Amino acid sequence: DIQMTQSPSSLSASIGDRVTITCRASQTINKFLNWFQQKPGKAPKLLIYFASTLASGVSSRFSGGGSGTDFTLTINSLQAEDFATYFCQQSYSPPLTFGGGTRVEIK
Amino acid sequence: QVQLVQSGPEVKKPGSSVKVSCEAPGGTFGTHAISWVRQAPGQGLEWMGRVIPIVDVTTYAQKFQARIVITADKSTNTVHLNLSSLTSDDTAVYFCTRDTEAVHRDWGQGTLVTVSS
Repeated sequence: DIQMTQSPSSLSASIGDRVTITCRASQTINKFLNWFQQKPGKAPKLLIYFASTLASGVSSRFSGGGSGTDFTLTINSLQAEDFATYFCQQSYSPPLTFGGGTRVEIK
Repeated sequence: QVQLVQSGPEVKKPGSSVKVSCEAPGGTFGTHAISWVRQAPGQGLEWMGRVIPIVDVTTYAQKFQARIVITADKSTNTVHLNLSSLTSDDTAVYFCTRDTEAVHRDWGQGTLVTVSS
């Protein structure tokens, strides 16, 4: 199975900050990397797929990058509604594995 | 976005089985795959398997291979997850997703399954 490692596991930030979350795959996954946002008690929401493609309706504050084994999710100008947990996931080969999550909290 | 509607919460005894359903009201699943992803309380996300209803092809995570069955009923636009030999470790919220090119684009609301004696 491909292991996905996210860092940090949590972070504190202020409104207006720029935040970057990283995700590393245990083997190359080309650009088959997706990012999800989850708020408490809700289903995850797709933010970015194929490493850098913004999902429909998602704010352009979110951007993704990387390929191979190393990927990033950047949130520019953090807004109140962005405080949530973020997960990466590889869709290169089954089982489709997720990172452990990054909780973004208000400083 | 496609609405996926899941069945209600379940409470099960250890060793029993559970069936969770996922419906696409008013539509069909088309050529999309339907995956099941679960989340134990306070934990991360875990992909369990998927079915491509139009061809009835399934893929399961090795971890669940011995006790999972995912079926699609095309007449009712419903996909079912059956998980057997339940233990307390199976207590989780179970989500169905509609996938395009293995990307989970649409999610159901989640179904809480509690396994307790």
